Amino acid sequence: NAGVTQTPKFQVLKTGQSMTLQCAQDMNHNSMYWYRQDPGMGLRLIYYSASEGTTDKGEVPNGYNVSRLNKREFSLRLESAAPSQTSVYFCASKMTGTRYNSPLHFGNGTRLTVT
Amino acid sequence: QQPVQSPQAVILREGEDAVINCSSSKALYSVHWYRQKHGEAPVFLMILLKGGEQKGHEKISASFNEKKQQSSLYLTASQLSYSGTYFCGTESGGGADGLTFGKGTHLIIQP
Repeated sequence: NAGVTQTPKFQVLKTGQSMTLQCAQDMNHNSMYWYRQDPGMGLRLIYYSASEGTTDKGEVPNGYNVSRLNKREFSLRLESAAPSQTSVYFCASKMTGTRYNSPLHFGNGTRLTVT
Repeated sequence: QQPVQSPQAVILREGEDAVINCSSSKALYSVHWYRQKHGEAPVFLMILLKGGEQKGHEKISASFNEKKQQSSLYLTASQLSYSGTYFCGTESGGGADGLTFGKGTHLIIQP
């Protein structure tokens, strides 16, 4: 049981380049999330998807786009990377709904540096 | 708005106790606690729901006061393995809009 799998683990981009961070979960969770973590800031929500086919903005969505490809996969795209997007990105998933009080399950993170 | 955690950092000797607090300005549905080791993903510790129920096991437990919108994490007789950064994450509704995390509390346990 792999849980939440993120790729790549590390990435270096030049300003203006684009890339997509991939995330997949095998726990049949309906909700998926992208967070970024910066020193001293904790984890901040970029986008989330409550179910297949729906996405919503979180606290810090500017400069990012997402796609909920199917129930398992939720990708994060940087169209034109900026140094301010240097961060560690975590994908997470959880089961949501009136019957559930479940925790977030995190992937291992992607360490992105934009030069 | 991010919940406020206190203290920001604490250094303890092995065997000492610690309390980490989490306070929100919004009404809360639940509070989650996670621990993160350097270079790793956050790991779930426990969830507390409305009702003030204290949860946890013997040495790590937590409480949730929904009226005060506060939660506290208690680490008793700390072990070296407890070192890391502790985050509280809060939910204001029971929906899917994710957790709002505090900035974290760095806990260092010395032998």
